[in-house]
Amino acid sequence: KAGVTQTPRYLIKTRGQQVTLSCSPISGHRSVSWYQQTPGQGLQFLFEYFSETQRNKGNFPGRFSGRQFSNSRSEMNVSTLELGDSALYLCASSPGRVTEAFFGQGTRLTVV
Amino acid sequence: GESVGLHLPTLSVQEGDNSIINCAYSNSASDYFIWYKQESGKGPQFIIDIRSNMDKRQGQRVTVLLNKTVKHLSLQIAATQPGDSAVYFCAENSGGSNYKLTFGKGTLLTVNP
Repeated sequence: KAGVTQTPRYLIKTRGQQVTLSCSPISGHRSVSWYQQTPGQGLQFLFEYFSETQRNKGNFPGRFSGRQFSNSRSEMNVSTLELGDSALYLCASSPGRVTEAFFGQGTRLTVV
Repeated sequence: GESVGLHLPTLSVQEGDNSIINCAYSNSASDYFIWYKQESGKGPQFIIDIRSNMDKRQGQRVTVLLNKTVKHLSLQIAATQPGDSAVYFCAENSGGSNYKLTFGKGTLLTVNP
């Protein structure tokens, strides 16, 4: 069974640009969550989607958004990038119940 | 507020010893807890979980203990191996049925051969 796949693995963007990250969950999993990981703040919850609906959202500005498609794949978008958005962005999938959440390898975003 | 904290940022043990990593949580309504292991350059790897209606759960070489009275969680690793060297995170589900994991800052475990 394939794991959680995140693309791309690495990205370099310029301040002010926007970026879209992609996550393909484990087959059969309907919940996809996104997290931001930085050395200073650790792992922070961005949002969670289930059956194309955002069920929960963390304390991030509106520049961070996401969506989920009918096949459970998810994307997150960050607009008007700031230097502080440089981080490892992680996606986790779970069957939908409150149970094990499995992470992908992450996308390393660098904003210059 | 919601927070999950780790008592020790680093832990160094000898190969073959047992390791104990501790975690405190503040949200008494959290109903589910997970321990993750993260190696450099990789995403967090699920180790073991426990629900709030349990106080102990065992896996292969790992045991998680939950003390709801003092809001404390621990991960015990038996016969620690060099391959166990990594950062360990505890996480709590603070979103109820709407999944939301709040993570601790992490503990760096170093296993000396």
